[in-house]
Amino acid sequence: DAKTTQPPSMDCAEGRAANLPCNHSTISGNEYVYWYRQIHSQGPQYIIHGLKNNETNEMASLIITEDRKSSTLILPHATLRDTAVYYCIVLLYGQNFVFGPGTRLSVLP
Amino acid sequence: AAGVIQSPRHLIKEKRETATLKCYPIPRHDTVYWYQQGPGQDPQFLISFYEKMQSDKGSIPDRFSAQQFSDYHSELNMSSLELGDSALYFCASSLSLNPYEQYFGPGTRLTVT
Repeated sequence: DAKTTQPPSMDCAEGRAANLPCNHSTISGNEYVYWYRQIHSQGPQYIIHGLKNNETNEMASLIITEDRKSSTLILPHATLRDTAVYYCIVLLYGQNFVFGPGTRLSVLP
Repeated sequence: AAGVIQSPRHLIKEKRETATLKCYPIPRHDTVYWYQQGPGQDPQFLISFYEKMQSDKGSIPDRFSAQQFSDYHSELNMSSLELGDSALYFCASSLSLNPYEQYFGPGTRLTVT
């Protein structure tokens, strides 16, 4: 059973904020939410992670709902180079990453 | 900043041959991970090493083996290659204290003919 559900694809205009949703309704109290992305044929790239609180770094912001059943990754000013597959991963410490299927984000000029 | 280095970047082998992929982690990273990504598929975890010891195992075929050396570089050895082994093989490294912030290399594209 998939732990997360993401839309298969999304479009975003260049310069606008990209908001990528992720549903994880069965998340347990000790499971973290991680976001990675994979630009075509490159290795996956870590973006951000969180447990309960919202998080922000130089790449993105992560908004986790109070009940933790869903989260949103926000790229504040999307550029063409942000076109990639974005993976939302939920896991306990000690588990291994399971990638897929993710959201294919296309940033349009 | 130094990144994960993988070699070779491209490799072509015939069925039943063997292949060795190499990975050089980011300096001071003590944990190495191997992933396989088939055409049109998502990356799949194979195996990981911490301080030269296997720390976890995923869906790695018995025909594959891997090890981590004293300088922390790692090698993935693949024998009796099959057509289905054609894929991108990524190596990632991390600090053991932060295992989920993994830094991936550019990958080795293996083609089995």
